[in-house]
Amino acid sequence: DQQVKQNSPSLSVQEGRISILNCDYTNSMFDYFLWYKKYPAEGPTFLISISSIKDKNEDGRFTVFLNKSAKHLSLHIVPSQPGDSAVYFCAATISNDYKLSFGAGTTVTVRA
Amino acid sequence: ETGVTQTPRHLVMGMTNKKSLKCEQHLGHNAMYWYKQSAKKPLELMFVYSLEERVENNSVPSRFSPECPNSSHLFLHLHTLQPEDSALYLCASSQGQGREQYFGPGTRLTVT
Repeated sequence: DQQVKQNSPSLSVQEGRISILNCDYTNSMFDYFLWYKKYPAEGPTFLISISSIKDKNEDGRFTVFLNKSAKHLSLHIVPSQPGDSAVYFCAATISNDYKLSFGAGTTVTVRA
Repeated sequence: ETGVTQTPRHLVMGMTNKKSLKCEQHLGHNAMYWYKQSAKKPLELMFVYSLEERVENNSVPSRFSPECPNSSHLFLHLHTLQPEDSALYLCASSQGQGREQYFGPGTRLTVT
């Protein structure tokens, strides 16, 4: 049973515009959420995280929003750049657990 | 070397072979992980080691055998694999539970 879902398998966005990636989760025990970026033939790279005590965390061009009541988080990338073309994974965990539950990923393509 | 390294990067093996995957982390972390990523599927956690002790084993077949000789090194011993075991095998490390995990580049395994 997949507890983290990314319902959009792909996203195409023009360079300079905003990319919005969405993620939903079902386990209300999750209290820490992460986004990873993955290029082909490489391992996932940690991008940004957010604790459940916050509703927003920003790091440069990347902002993650958390809506606990809706069990939904999103990643905003602005402005989008060609190097942002990759697969983005949403993940969630519980603070006393080792396991990260991952979504299936969203492939982002940034068009010039 | 920095971060998490994995060798080999690519491996082709027959179903009767025995091989090992190696992972080394240079981050001073105390937990290490093996993940499997099959095509079109989310990352699947296979094994977790904390302070060189196995703390999680997610119903992985016995043809996969992990070994953690110290907090910096992790091995995955493979024997009598099946073609459906062909996948990207990723190693990761973290400092404790419920936080970011940092991934290596992965080993692309093909079982013929």
